[in-house]
Amino acid sequence: ELKVEQNPLFLSMQEGKNYTIYCNYSTTSDRLYWYRQDPGKSLESLFVLLSNGAVKQEGRLMASLDTKARLSTLHITAAVHDLSATYFCAVTLGNNNDMRFGAGTRLTVKP
Amino acid sequence: NAGVTQTPKFQVLKTGQSMTLQCAQDMNHNSMYWYRQDPGMGLRLIYYSASEGTTDKGEVPNGYNVSRLNKREFSLRLESAAPSQTSVYFCASSRPIGGEKLFFGSGTQLSVL
Repeated sequence: ELKVEQNPLFLSMQEGKNYTIYCNYSTTSDRLYWYRQDPGKSLESLFVLLSNGAVKQEGRLMASLDTKARLSTLHITAAVHDLSATYFCAVTLGNNNDMRFGAGTRLTVKP
Repeated sequence: NAGVTQTPKFQVLKTGQSMTLQCAQDMNHNSMYWYRQDPGMGLRLIYYSASEGTTDKGEVPNGYNVSRLNKREFSLRLESAAPSQTSVYFCASSRPIGGEKLFFGSGTQLSVL
């Protein structure tokens, strides 16, 4: 059974600091997704990582994928308050229609 | 462009009542999904439909039924609601090509008393 684990589950950081969120998954998959959810809102896609070694960056966020280690990271550079949200990683199982999510990392950026 | 539209946004049911959550997308996506979100558990897949005319169980299908009415619409039915089904429900869709991201609706907050 595919399990997707994120850590930390809660992250409080100061503006200007750097930090990394980790996503481990238990079975072979070469497709990993990162989503963002603001409180009370829906999810929006941040990154789609489709191969080993894939790295994508947008603004202060950078995501990478190591399929051999079954690990993805979401790195936050010089955090700002607007990045406060819950971040989910997700992995597809087999036929790409069964997407499993991690529990989410609730990020709070404080001034 | 509306994207993925869910109705209703909020619903309160009594135990044993039934209801249907509606979802429609206008992006010509083949695949549609129903997820539930519970605190600390991320999103869990209830059912999905890879294409019109097909549906498959996800991780937590018990207590739910779905109908893929046409390419645009995918409904989720609770036949006899239970308190354990109190959750936020999200509908999503994706393009036909494998590996594509999901587009989510705004969610339905359901409480079963």
